[in-house]
Amino acid sequence: EAQVTQNPRYLITVTGKKLTVTCSQNMNHEYMSWYRQDPGLGLRQIYYSMNVEVTDKGDVPEGYKVSRKEKRNFPLILESPSPNQTSLYFCASSPLLDRYLSNEQFFGPGTRLTVL
Amino acid sequence: AQSVAQPEDQVKVAEGNPLTVKCTYSVSGNPYLFWYVQYPNRGLQFLLKYITGDNLVKGSYGFEAEFNKSQTSFHLKKPSALVSDSALYFCAFDQTGANNLFFGTGTRLTVIP
Repeated sequence: EAQVTQNPRYLITVTGKKLTVTCSQNMNHEYMSWYRQDPGLGLRQIYYSMNVEVTDKGDVPEGYKVSRKEKRNFPLILESPSPNQTSLYFCASSPLLDRYLSNEQFFGPGTRLTVL
Repeated sequence: AQSVAQPEDQVKVAEGNPLTVKCTYSVSGNPYLFWYVQYPNRGLQFLLKYITGDNLVKGSYGFEAEFNKSQTSFHLKKPSALVSDSALYFCAFDQTGANNLFFGTGTRLTVIP
């Protein structure tokens, strides 16, 4: 089944304790992205990657890191989490059929993170 | 700043009635416009997109949207609502075609049996 998976689905942690949220897709998509969803704000893009070893900042990158060492994986790293990073996080992937033609994105099920 | 706006936080409609979820945009050039739906405890699912061409776009689950350049709107519509359509709907745009989506704040649709 074609899908985007995220782990963990739920995480409660404390301020300053490094964590990683994994994201994996099995559709051979070039493009991957991370979003956070907050009430009243919709989804905001954190980081994105157009291909292996190519990453770039989205709208709200502060406090986050990413890496893209393999095409299928795009982990989100919080080096020193803070309470304002409590949110619902979504990973997404998309084919890049045409560099100038925006394509449907496939979203993972979400990771609910609480930072105490 | 360029953006999309969803003026209604919540829309309620009776089952079988037509539904409209509103979206207006403030984006220069020719934007790519999208609708996504989020069911409870699920990720977002693509419904439809407007790139160019016919202003009426048909999408998944019987939904359609009309691109109106003069009113800068991209409202989502369905002729006959189902209870199973109850969900959170997001309008989004991608200005550059580089897949970087900017989302509206979402509209919660409730279809009453």
